[in-house]
Amino acid sequence: AQTVTQSQPEMSVQEAETVTLSCTYDTSENNYYLFWYKQPPSRQMILVIRQEAYKQQNATENRFSVNFQKAAKSFSLKISDSQLGDTAMYFCAFMNYGQNFVFGPGTRLSVLP
Amino acid sequence: EPEVTQTPSHQVTQMGQEVILRCVPISNHLYFYWYRQILGQKVEFLVSFYNNEISEKSEIFDDQFSVERPDGSNFTLKIRSTKLEDSAMYFCASRAAPGAYEQYFGPGTRLTVT
Repeated sequence: AQTVTQSQPEMSVQEAETVTLSCTYDTSENNYYLFWYKQPPSRQMILVIRQEAYKQQNATENRFSVNFQKAAKSFSLKISDSQLGDTAMYFCAFMNYGQNFVFGPGTRLSVLP
Repeated sequence: EPEVTQTPSHQVTQMGQEVILRCVPISNHLYFYWYRQILGQKVEFLVSFYNNEISEKSEIFDDQFSVERPDGSNFTLKIRSTKLEDSAMYFCASRAAPGAYEQYFGPGTRLTVT
């Protein structure tokens, strides 16, 4: 069974600075997808960024980028120029092709003014 | 942009009562999912549904749970006899087609069992 680990239960960063959230996963599959979801206090799940495992190039979405290390089974999220609105829980998620998500336990990020 | 909707946003029920949580997936999507998030914990998979039948379910999805797609638009989760530990946020998600992998989440229904 796949597992997703996020070793940082809580993190904080000063506004405008950069922060990196860690995620590791365990799978025997070769083809899969990885995601980062943001959950603000409203508790809605918002997709931040996604990565296909067959792509070597790291995904980037504006201030959000990932460092995908397939051999190490690592998928970290970097947030540049942090904003107050980035304060939220961040969940790393793994998905085999055509199957359901497996989520990590989450990292609570606080952006400080 | 099309989105998944869920009603109600918050449901309060007494222990032992039946509840039905409703979801309207994105209209051309074929795969439907329910997830649960107990407060302060991670999001957990409950069940997936395709072609009018359950395709996969987790250990959490026991006999008190059922899902249904009663018409062409709604996808429901029924909890037959609610327990205190069913209190959680319930998320519906949908996915377009076999070749598409992204699941789109609804805003969630907060279920409180008293």
